[in-house]
Amino acid sequence: RKEVEQDPGPFNVPEGATVAFNCTYSNSASQSFFWYRQDCRKEPKLLMSVYSSGNEDGRFTAQLNRASQYISLLIRDSKLSDSATYLCVVNPAQAAGNKLTFGGGTRVLVKP
Amino acid sequence: ETGVTQSPTHLIKTRGQQVTLRCSSQSGHNTVSWYQQALGQGPQFIFQYYREEENGRGNFPPRFSGLQFPNYSSELNVNALELDDSALYLCASSLGGTSGRGEQYFGPGTRLTVT
Repeated sequence: RKEVEQDPGPFNVPEGATVAFNCTYSNSASQSFFWYRQDCRKEPKLLMSVYSSGNEDGRFTAQLNRASQYISLLIRDSKLSDSATYLCVVNPAQAAGNKLTFGGGTRVLVKP
Repeated sequence: ETGVTQSPTHLIKTRGQQVTLRCSSQSGHNTVSWYQQALGQGPQFIFQYYREEENGRGNFPPRFSGLQFPNYSSELNVNALELDDSALYLCASSLGGTSGRGEQYFGPGTRLTVT
């Protein structure tokens, strides 16, 4: 089983619609969670950290469910510019250092 | 922009050759992590340097090596290149130790092609 698993998609989303997708992680001791966005042939960019209580940043909402070991990302009022691959990232509990474990990414295509 | 820079941008090498990739971390960051991203996959952790020492390593063979300099910039060296080493190599800068939640900020990457 992969440490971090994501539905690769693509999720085809009409402009203005809402889309949500999850990722699951296997290490129950994981401490920190993030969503990164990656455009084609570019580097990953930090979209948002995911906190235990859930958090929102504009049109983006992230949720963490430790009991079921999954993280979710919801995008409201989708824009064409939201088309990208969204990487679920987990910081596993380690004695030292912050080594990120990435999922394979979920591709989102927002269409007019 | 993250302030993390990498060089070169693109590189073409022949199987069996050696390559050195370079990364300059964001100002104030003391940790550099290296990742390999094959086409269509998520980045895979290679290793991390914290205050000039290796601080963890992923499942990569010893021909992948690196170092970190006193100014926290870093190099990734790959010996005896294989065709499967063709990938985007990403460097990520962060503030290590017990600071922060582990957010890492990526450079633009070096795209390596091995023929």
